[in-house]
Amino acid sequence: EVQLLESGGGLVQPGGSLRLSCAASGFTFAHYAMSWVRQAPGKGLEWVSAISGGASRTFYADSVKGRFTISRDDSMNTLYLQINSLRAEDTAVYFCARDVAYYHDSSPGVDYWGQGTLVTVSS
Amino acid sequence: ETTLTQSPAFMSATPGDKVNISCKASQDIDDDMNWYRQKPGKAAIFIIQDATTLVPGIPPRFSGSGYGTDFTLTINNIESEDAAYYFCLQHDNFPITFGQGTRLEIK
Repeated sequence: EVQLLESGGGLVQPGGSLRLSCAASGFTFAHYAMSWVRQAPGKGLEWVSAISGGASRTFYADSVKGRFTISRDDSMNTLYLQINSLRAEDTAVYFCARDVAYYHDSSPGVDYWGQGTLVTVSS
Repeated sequence: ETTLTQSPAFMSATPGDKVNISCKASQDIDDDMNWYRQKPGKAAIFIIQDATTLVPGIPPRFSGSGYGTDFTLTINNIESEDAAYYFCLQHDNFPITFGQGTRLEIK
């Protein structure tokens, strides 16, 4: 059974940093691209970042480029999102999701999701 | 970037009803549309791939239709367990984008 379990969320002050993790199990993690998607309170889903298999390419939404860094450790079956210079508008539940394919830019979307981890940016 | 306009934002149905949820794309996306269901505190579940393909394990009460810019998720013979948040995703062009979601209540 595919499982994705996010962790690392919490309350952080504006300008602060957090590192989100997504522990994957039930499939060969290295064979898939992975994505981060977030949902702000009362808002729709927003794709944030993705990383292709083998960490060959990374992708970012314009709203987070330069502040967020996605990475993966295939030996630990874990996806990461380093989020820096946090702003109030980054407050959201952050989900990790498995892409359907190895390369994000040719993947027909995502097929499995985690339950999310809440990031709250507030002073 | 493709904008997806999903409607309605909220709907209420009675067990046995048929419901339709719409997702309209701001540009032609062929059949590159997926649908998902999410219950509070749970991981979202993939239900329809590429506009019309039912994901294995999903009941045939669910179906998808559409091509180009107009897409519909149909749920026949609604059951109480179908109460959830439903959303669409387009994967035709970068970045993937989502509809605003539909909250389905079962009376």
